[in-house]
Amino acid sequence: GNSVTQMEGPVTLSEEAFLTINCTYTATGYPSLFWYVQYPGEGLQLLLKATKADDKGSNKGFEATYRKETTSFHLEKGSVQVSDSAVYFCALSRNQGGKLIFGQGTELSVKP
Amino acid sequence: NAGVTQTPKFQVLKTGQSMTLQCAQDMNHNSMYWYRQDPGMGLRLIYYSASEGTTDKGEVPNGYNVSRLNKREFSLRLESAAPSQTSVYFCASSEGGSANYGYTFGSGTRLTVV
Repeated sequence: GNSVTQMEGPVTLSEEAFLTINCTYTATGYPSLFWYVQYPGEGLQLLLKATKADDKGSNKGFEATYRKETTSFHLEKGSVQVSDSAVYFCALSRNQGGKLIFGQGTELSVKP
Repeated sequence: NAGVTQTPKFQVLKTGQSMTLQCAQDMNHNSMYWYRQDPGMGLRLIYYSASEGTTDKGEVPNGYNVSRLNKREFSLRLESAAPSQTSVYFCASSEGGSANYGYTFGSGTRLTVV
């Protein structure tokens, strides 16, 4: 079946450090891939997306590239800030009723 | 502000009690979803409604029922609450039948069943 696996957290970084959160997926066909972010006490927000192989999604300094050959969609940011502290969810969609399948989430904590 | 509104924000139930979680969106979205969030398990789909008048089971539907009352509202009902249903519940909506437009999430309902 379709599934998403993320690296386990929590991830703790110092401000201005480089961030990578790994995400791999299993899916039939050609899914769309997403990163969502959840700030404390809030619902999830779409951070970025890629709908076909080799697409790069980007937003707020975050980037992720859809790699079909490695079935991966790793999230990166060159210089994290304290305000980036949140839980990050990788997700995929096979467009079956618009359903999203989420990974387990990775908590990021950025220290000043 | 436009968005997805969930009520209540917090609820404590005793085992066996029933309750309905309410969700309403004002973005004229066709599709609506109910997820539960549990530590280490991400979000799991309970039920969804691809369009007004239709509902379908997701990954974890047992113990729940839903009603798509109209295009705006999608409620989730627990008929006989169990401790295993302690969780944070999120309602979401999306335009059309595709997730590619992105979901808009509510702020969640934290439910504790004792």
